[in-house]
Amino acid sequence: KAGVTQTPRYLIKTRGQQVTLSCSPISGHRSVSWYQQTPGQGLQFLFEYFSETQRNKGNFPGRFSGRQFSNSRSEMNVSTLELGDSALYLCASSATGSTGELFFGEGSRLTVL
Amino acid sequence: GESVGLHLPTLSVQEGDNSIINCAYSNSASDYFIWYKQESGKGPQFIIDIRSNMDKRQGQRVTVLLNKTVKHLSLQIAATQPGDSAVYFCAESSSGGSYIPTFGRGTSLIVHP
Repeated sequence: KAGVTQTPRYLIKTRGQQVTLSCSPISGHRSVSWYQQTPGQGLQFLFEYFSETQRNKGNFPGRFSGRQFSNSRSEMNVSTLELGDSALYLCASSATGSTGELFFGEGSRLTVL
Repeated sequence: GESVGLHLPTLSVQEGDNSIINCAYSNSASDYFIWYKQESGKGPQFIIDIRSNMDKRQGQRVTVLLNKTVKHLSLQIAATQPGDSAVYFCAESSSGGSYIPTFGRGTSLIVHP
């Protein structure tokens, strides 16, 4: 069974630009969560999608958004990038989202210059 | 506010020793706890979990202990191997809430051969 796939793995953007990250969950998993990981703040929850609906949302500004498609694939978008958005963005999937056992991808490393 | 944190940011051990990684949590409503391992360049990987109706759970070479009285969680790794070198995160969630796990800051385990 293929794991969680995130693309791109690495990207460099400049301030003010926007970025879209993609996540393909494990086949059959309907819940997709996104996390931001930085050395200073650790793993911070962004949002969770289940069956194309945002079910939970973390404490991030509106510049961070996401969506989920009917095949459970998910994208997240960050608009008007700031230097502080440089981070590893991790996607995690689970079958139902009703337990804490998440299956993580390897992440998308975003650098904002 | 509620938080999950770790006592030690770095733990260095010799190969073959037993390792103990500690974690404190403050949300008394948390009833589900998980340990994740994150190797360099990879996403976090589920190790073991424990529910609040238990105080100990064992896996392969790992044991998680839960002390609800003092809100403390620990991960014990027996006969630590170089392949155990990684950052370890504890996470907590609540079945009465969204099940979204809140992660601690992480402890870096370094195993010397």
